[in-house]
Amino acid sequence: EAGVTQFPSHSVIEKGQTVTLRCDPISGHDNLYWYRRVMGKEIKFLLHFVKESKQDESGMPNNRFLAERTGGTYSTLKVQPAELEDSGVYFCASSQGNGNSPLHFGNGTRLTVT
Amino acid sequence: AQSVSQHNHHVILSEAASLELGCNYSYGGTVNLFWYVQYPGQHLQLLLKYFSGDPLVKGIKGFEAEFIKSKFSFNLRKPSVQWSDTAEYFCAVEGAQKLVFGQGTRLTINP
Repeated sequence: EAGVTQFPSHSVIEKGQTVTLRCDPISGHDNLYWYRRVMGKEIKFLLHFVKESKQDESGMPNNRFLAERTGGTYSTLKVQPAELEDSGVYFCASSQGNGNSPLHFGNGTRLTVT
Repeated sequence: AQSVSQHNHHVILSEAASLELGCNYSYGGTVNLFWYVQYPGQHLQLLLKYFSGDPLVKGIKGFEAEFIKSKFSFNLRKPSVQWSDTAEYFCAVEGAQKLVFGQGTRLTINP
C-alpha cells in the first residue's frame, strides 16, 4: 500500500508569506494527525482529524495556522503569515479508525522561514 | 500534563557494542508507550510498543524495551548494534489519542 505522502518536502519562504503544506494519508485511514518538530526540540502534536472533523486542535500554536481536511481525504496546513519561529519539520501521520492501530508517518515537510 | 524525557541527546558507539537508551515519562493514567526510529532520509517508523501484559517487549531489528512502572521508565535496548542502526530514536507516550514525544536521541554507530 502507498504510505503517507507529504508535499512539498522542502519549502523556503520569507517572513510574512503564506505556505500551504499537504498530506495524503493512507487510503481508508480515518485518523489524520499533524505534528511539528522545531530544530533540536521534541516532536509536538498540532492537531487530530477524524475523517473531516477536527477531534483535537489543542496543539495549534496560534490563529496563523489553519488546517483543513475536506471530504475526509487529504489535509492541508496553511501558515499565514509565516513567522521565523514557524521553521521546522511538519509531520503528518494517519491511522485506521479502530483503537490501538499504529500510526504511519510521512517523510515530513521541512519549512524554513527567512 | 504528559511529558517524556530522553536522557541522551547523542550517543556514539562502535559496532557490536550494547545499547541502552533511557526514557522516562510523566503521565497519571494508563499509558501506551512507543519507540520510533527515523533513519536518515526516511520517515518515522515504529520500532516497538507497549500497551499491556509482559513488560518486556520485543520489536523489529533485535530491539527490545522494558516497561518499569515504578520507575516510569521505558528504556530501549539492543545487545549488539550494527552500523545500520545509525538513526534518531524517539520515545513516546500516548494519551488522549495523541502522542507526546521525547526530544529524541541521535545514535551514531562507527564501523
